[in-house]
Amino acid sequence: EDQVTQSPEALRLQEGESSSLNCSYTVSGLRGLFWYRQDPGKGPEFLFTLYSAGEEKEKERLKATLTKKESFLHITAPKPEDSATYLCAVQYNFGNEKLTFGTGTRLTIIP
Amino acid sequence: EAGVAQSPRYKIIEKRQSVAFWCNPISGHATLYWYQQILGQGPKLLIQFQNNGVVDDSQLPKDRFSAERLKGVDSTLKIQPAKLEDSAVYLCASRRVRDRSYEQYFGPGTRLTVT
Repeated sequence: EDQVTQSPEALRLQEGESSSLNCSYTVSGLRGLFWYRQDPGKGPEFLFTLYSAGEEKEKERLKATLTKKESFLHITAPKPEDSATYLCAVQYNFGNEKLTFGTGTRLTIIP
Repeated sequence: EAGVAQSPRYKIIEKRQSVAFWCNPISGHATLYWYQQILGQGPKLLIQFQNNGVVDDSQLPKDRFSAERLKGVDSTLKIQPAKLEDSAVYLCASRRVRDRSYEQYFGPGTRLTVT
């Protein structure tokens, strides 16, 4: 079965304390890896799509990177408003365009 | 551009009752998805439509769940009869067919509690 594993499950950081979230996947034939942000009571909000190993994308304090086995979401000097659950999802070349989501990392930034 | 609309936002029912959720995708988005998100988990795809045809319903529990998108625009997801384990947030998402990024836009979801 396709596996998408995110770690850690939860992360508490002080404001300004940089860190990284991990997303690992097990099946070859990756078409794309997606990062979403989800606030409580809301649907996921798209952040990035990565397509090939070595690719990087940035948005404000977030940078996503991709290797052949995993992706990292780096958060630099986070602010309290960055607190959310961050979900990653993978899409494979075979089958249809279905996204398989991980369970997410719940990030809390303490002022 | 208006986002994906869903209603109701919250629903509480007793087990064995029926419930229906409604979704209106972003205008012009031909692909529509229904996901189930159980507390503490990521969204799981239930069914995918392109226009009014079903592309993937392999994870839809067809003995109790049904979905339709008759005119290729809005969609309804129904559960009949509901079980306790159906308690979850039901998310609708949509995408433009020609969008090469495959980015999906999600609605706010309907939180279902089955007692």
